Amino acid sequence: ETGVTQSPTHLIKTRGQQVTLRCSSQSGHNTVSWYQQALGQGPQFIFQYYREEENGRGNFPPRFSGLQFPNYSSELNVNALELDDSALYLCASSFPDGIYEQYFGPGTRLTVT
Amino acid sequence: AQTVTQSQPEMSVQEAETVTLSCTYDTSENNYYLFWYKQPPSRQMILVIRQEAYKQQNATENRFSVNFQKAAKSFSLKISDSQLGDTAMYFCAFMKAVPEYGNKLVFGAGTILRVKS
Repeated sequence: ETGVTQSPTHLIKTRGQQVTLRCSSQSGHNTVSWYQQALGQGPQFIFQYYREEENGRGNFPPRFSGLQFPNYSSELNVNALELDDSALYLCASSFPDGIYEQYFGPGTRLTVT
Repeated sequence: AQTVTQSQPEMSVQEAETVTLSCTYDTSENNYYLFWYKQPPSRQMILVIRQEAYKQQNATENRFSVNFQKAAKSFSLKISDSQLGDTAMYFCAFMKAVPEYGNKLVFGAGTILRVKS
């Protein structure tokens, strides 16, 4: 059974650019959640996708958007990058009937300069 | 809105000893789940233990156990026989049992635990 994977591991972008982060969910999981973890802080919920539709959103601006594909993998897109977007971005997937238990990927470290 | 508070930014413990990490939360919900997650330097967030609010019995997983006090809204984690591999950031997290829109985890700020040899 393959766990949650994320790509890339690290990336560096310039303020104003756009970035796409990718997540492959664990086998059998159809729900994917994204979290932003600033340095030294707990993760903050960005949004969740279930069956290819957004199914919940945290307090993040519209320049944070996402997609879920038929194979349940997901993308997080961030437009007009700001310095404060520098963080670890975590993806988590869940079983269809055990949605309370989320399994996390290793994260993507984004640095905005 | 739910909030989770971890009042201990850092803790240290000697190998083989016992340590307790504190967590309090605020919610008006009656049904919910509480979790402790471990995040080692490798960054992978790993579920340590889960507690359902409707269960009075405290959850245990090998060396890890919780003290769940629903009325006090307290959820502490006890690690027995601490091992060097327990060194990590530990997060307490809350999730509603019946979400109105998406199941999100609400995390505390974390406690860095260092196990010393």
